[in-house]
Amino acid sequence: NAGVTQTPKFRVLKTGQSMTLLCAQDMNHEYMYWYRQDPGMGLRLIHYSVGEGTTAKGEVPDGYNVSRLKKQNFLLGLESAAPSQTSVYFCASSYRGLFSGEQFFGPGTRLTVL
Amino acid sequence: GQQVMQIPQYQHVQEGEDFTTYCNSSTTLSNIQWYKQRPGGHPVFLIQLVKSGEVKKQKRLTFQFGEAKKNSSLHITATQTTDVGTYFCAGPGTYKYIFGTGTRLKVLA
Repeated sequence: NAGVTQTPKFRVLKTGQSMTLLCAQDMNHEYMYWYRQDPGMGLRLIHYSVGEGTTAKGEVPDGYNVSRLKKQNFLLGLESAAPSQTSVYFCASSYRGLFSGEQFFGPGTRLTVL
Repeated sequence: GQQVMQIPQYQHVQEGEDFTTYCNSSTTLSNIQWYKQRPGGHPVFLIQLVKSGEVKKQKRLTFQFGEAKKNSSLHITATQTTDVGTYFCAGPGTYKYIFGTGTRLKVLA
């Protein structure tokens, strides 16, 4: 079991560029989440999904889009990157329920927007 | 809006000393989780507490959930260098999980 994997691990973008972060889990979890982590601010939820084909907004969704076409994959897109989106992005999944039970985190993607 | 506050923000201890971090929510929580994040790593689940007044132990770690289900604590007895990292609490809010800002623990050998 690889658990939760994220690609890429690091990325540098210029303002205005777009990119997609990929999250994959092999644990057959229904629930998946995208968080961003900034210094001194803990983790903040960007978007989440309760199953294949469904997504919902979290706490800080502006500037991001997501898709969950397959149960095991959850994609996070930045349409037009801004310096304020410089952060570490974590994907997580859980099986017990939405916002209940252990969340399994991926290793993270460190994104810098110049 | 709902907030989850953690104190202290930083804690430096000598190896062998005890350590406690506190988590306070502005609203009642149905459950609370604790995570540990090593420097450069990702959050790793430690435990979930559900019942009012619940106390759970994992070796040198003791977790408590307050009677009013609005606060929680994590206590580490006789810290070791392997305890270094940031400890987060997290509680369910409206359509999201709210993470505390974390307590960064540094253990001096």
